[in-house]
Amino acid sequence: NAGVTQTPKFQVLKTGQSMTLQCAQDMNHEYMSWYRQDPGMGLRLIHYSVGAGITDQGEVPNGYNVSRSTTEDFPLRLLSAAPSQTSVYFCASSYRPDYNEQFFGPGTRLTVL
Amino acid sequence: EDQVTQSPEALRLQEGESSSLNCSYTVSGLRGLFWYRQDPGKGPEFLFTLYSAGEEKEKERLKATLTKKESFLHITAPKPEDSATYLCAVQGRGNTPLVFGKGTRLSVIA
Repeated sequence: NAGVTQTPKFQVLKTGQSMTLQCAQDMNHEYMSWYRQDPGMGLRLIHYSVGAGITDQGEVPNGYNVSRSTTEDFPLRLLSAAPSQTSVYFCASSYRPDYNEQFFGPGTRLTVL
Repeated sequence: EDQVTQSPEALRLQEGESSSLNCSYTVSGLRGLFWYRQDPGKGPEFLFTLYSAGEEKEKERLKATLTKKESFLHITAPKPEDSATYLCAVQGRGNTPLVFGKGTRLSVIA
């Protein structure tokens, strides 16, 4: 199993550009989440999904969109990048809804100029 | 509002010097408390889940304990490879998302 994979590993954007961060898992997990991690702050939840076709907002959803057309994939879209979105983004998945044994991907380091 | 506070922010130990990391939390009905390890440039790695006060979990040199207000991660005779940032997170009742602490950065010196 590859676990949770994320692409790209690094990305530099200009203010106003859009892009999609890819996330895939091969563990048949129903629950998937996107987090951002900033210096001096804990991981913060952006969006999450409890299954294909079902998504919901987390703590910091503004400026981001998600969709879940398959169990395996959970892409995160930045609609119009802003410098405040400079961060490290992690995708995670778990089999159960109580986050027990949640697996994280390796992260995408995004810089918005 | 659910909150998690971890202390200390950073801890430097000599190899073999046992110590504990603290995670204090306030939550409206604890559904679960989670410990993760994060190495530089990598995603967090799941360590333990604790569900109720009095519960304990062990893995190699790590032991996690839980009370109604805090959790401790005890590290016994640490080795340099235990150096990492240790994250604590809680989930309250209902379908509420995880709330993470800022982490404790542990350095173990040979």
